Amino acid sequence: AQSVTQLDSQVPVFEEAPVELRCNYSSSVSVYLFWYVQYPNQGLQLLLKYLSGSTLVKGINGFEAEFNKSQTSFHLRKPSVHISDTAEYFCAVSDTGTASKLTFGTGTRLQVTL
Amino acid sequence: GAVVSQHPSRVICKSGTSVKIECRSLDFQATTMFWYRQFPKQSLMLMATSNEGSKATYEQGVEKDKFLINHASLTLSTLTVTSAHPEDSSFYICSALSGGASHEQYFGPGTRLTVT
Repeated sequence: AQSVTQLDSQVPVFEEAPVELRCNYSSSVSVYLFWYVQYPNQGLQLLLKYLSGSTLVKGINGFEAEFNKSQTSFHLRKPSVHISDTAEYFCAVSDTGTASKLTFGTGTRLQVTL
Repeated sequence: GAVVSQHPSRVICKSGTSVKIECRSLDFQATTMFWYRQFPKQSLMLMATSNEGSKATYEQGVEKDKFLINHASLTLSTLTVTSAHPEDSSFYICSALSGGASHEQYFGPGTRLTVT
């Protein structure tokens, strides 16, 4: 079984500032890692994913994340945020065996202000 | 990218009635779909895995007789909340698993269920 920890429930940041949303996972097997964004009253949209290969993954909307196996982390970063980035961000993991069932973290609310 | 729709987007029903939520993959076939439940300001909890042509697999603690899932075609899965009660009020989200090596789930926009 896997688990995902997003320690920061809320992250306030000013527009054009950099941001990092933290994600740590626990698993006894190899995993795939995902970051999703959810806007109010909407479903989830995939930002990026790590399946294999380069540990630095680039996604949509200028986001990127780095897989660190030794630290079991997959932190999400953006060098300069916009007001429109205000949303809920979820980190998720699935094991490479089933490759389908996702376990989600509790989410981080990114609040971008002027 | 692939599109998944859900209908209705919002539904209000009286306690004791049943409500059906549809999840459709619009431009791809999905042999596997998932149903999640999300409480306010909380994460998504997987309820069940829906496989086309076979019975759904429910997660521990989810009542299969209360949350009926039917995946009759490669593009449609339905979730029926039977004998709904106020505690069933929630945001229900479905996802469809794309084929191949992408291992990506495409999520629907969600259905807000309110039971009065």
